[in-house]
Amino acid sequence: SYVLTQPPSVSVAPGKTARITCGGNNIGTKTVHWYQQKPVQAPVLVIYWDKDRPSGIPERFSGSNSGNTATLTISGVEAGDEADYYCQVWDSPTRAVFGGGTKLTV
Amino acid sequence: QVQLAQSGAEVQKPGASVKVSCKASGYTFTAYDINWVRQAAGQGLEWMGWLNTNSGNTAYAQKLQGRVSITRDTSINTAYLELSSLTYDDTAVYYCARASGSYYPFGSWGQGTLVTVSS
Repeated sequence: SYVLTQPPSVSVAPGKTARITCGGNNIGTKTVHWYQQKPVQAPVLVIYWDKDRPSGIPERFSGSNSGNTATLTISGVEAGDEADYYCQVWDSPTRAVFGGGTKLTV
Repeated sequence: QVQLAQSGAEVQKPGASVKVSCKASGYTFTAYDINWVRQAAGQGLEWMGWLNTNSGNTAYAQKLQGRVSITRDTSINTAYLELSSLTYDDTAVYYCARASGSYYPFGSWGQGTLVTVSS
């Protein structure tokens, strides 16, 4: 089955840019979705179709996907962005896969 | 507004089964797929299975094949996850999540249901 690899943790100072990667074999040929999860809360979609933002998600959140790596970029990081972030793809029309998650520390 | 309301916490013994419900409101139930995702304490998200709420077709994660069943009752806009032969490793928070179809993101999530397997 398809494997997505994320770094366990990323640290960034407030106001700086955080980049969270999601590695997978030819992931650039798939569409990637990203979720933010804060403690004791359900995940929230922050980027879909590689780079689109749902309504209500700040423009500071952006995404890209090429080759073997997809990237979630958070510009001007704020304390409230501290959370776990997960990438997700569909391995087939009926099977989803999540990355292992990345803890963002601000 | 879209809501997925899940059933309450459960405590089950090893070897038993558990059934968790996910009641949808605020949209046409059969127009969206329902997926189930679980998360053990301190661990990541694990996709468990997919349900086409219109046809009733399902697909499951390979590691859970034979133990998991996802069903729905369209008369009450509710999807169900049943997991059998529970082990301590099944202790987790279980989420239902809505998607517009294959390859779509999980745009709405239930609040989660804690299932504890304990003797």
